[in-house]
Amino acid sequence: AQSVTQPDIHITVSEGASLELRCNYSYGATPYLFWYVQSPGQGLQLLLKYFSGDTLVQGIKGFEAEFKRSQSSFNLRKPSVHWSDAAEYFCALPGDSSYKLIFGSGTRLLVRP
Amino acid sequence: DAGVTQSPTHLIKTRGQQVTLRCSPKSGHDTVSWYQQALGQGPQFIFQYYEEEERQRGNFPDRFSGHQFPNYSSELNVNALLLGDSALYLCASSSRSGFRSGNTIYFGEGSWLTVV
Repeated sequence: AQSVTQPDIHITVSEGASLELRCNYSYGATPYLFWYVQSPGQGLQLLLKYFSGDTLVQGIKGFEAEFKRSQSSFNLRKPSVHWSDAAEYFCALPGDSSYKLIFGSGTRLLVRP
Repeated sequence: DAGVTQSPTHLIKTRGQQVTLRCSPKSGHDTVSWYQQALGQGPQFIFQYYEEEERQRGNFPDRFSGHQFPNYSSELNVNALLLGDSALYLCASSSRSGFRSGNTIYFGEGSWLTVV
C-alpha cells in the first residue's frame, strides 16, 4: 500500500540557515510527489510537485526538492530560511485515484531569529 | 479569482449532534474532495464528489456523508458526533482530470470543528 513517512516531527533552524525536510515514500511505481505547506490558520498551499523528468524540482518561495528513486525519498530544501517559512510541511503522494492524496504526518518548522 | 472557500471557519458542537460544513470550489473546478485533519496529523481523505455523486470514499463511517450541488459547491455532513470527530475539515477542488494531467489540487482554509 502507498504510504508517506516524514521522520521529523519538529525541526528548528536559525533564520538564514539552510533547510532540509525529509520525506520517504512507499509506492508500487514511480509516483507523483507533492510538498504542501500549511501556515497557522491557513489551508494547504502547494509548494512543488514532481511528475516525471528532471529529478530536481523547483517550487515557489525558493524551495526545491529532489526525487531519489534509489532511496525512495523526496526531500525538500531551501538554501536560506526566512522567519515567514515557519509552518507545517506535508509530503504527499497519490492514492488510488486522480483526486486522492495520501499525506505524511507533517514536519513543523520553527525558525529562530 | 476566488480560491476554495469554506464555511464556517470555527464551530463547537456537542456529542451526538449533527454538523454541516460548506465548500465552494475554485472557479473553473467541478470536483470536490473532503479531508479530515486531526491535531498533529496529516489530512486524511474522506470522499470525493463529481457530477453530484460520491465517486470515491476513504475509510470513514457512514456518519460522514456529503452532497454536491449543480453549481459544484459541496456540503459535508457528520451525524452523531463523537469527541474524536474534532478536527480541521479541509475541502479540496480540482478539475475533472485531477492532478494526473499536471493540474493542481487546491485546498481551502478549512473548518475547525470542536466536539465537546
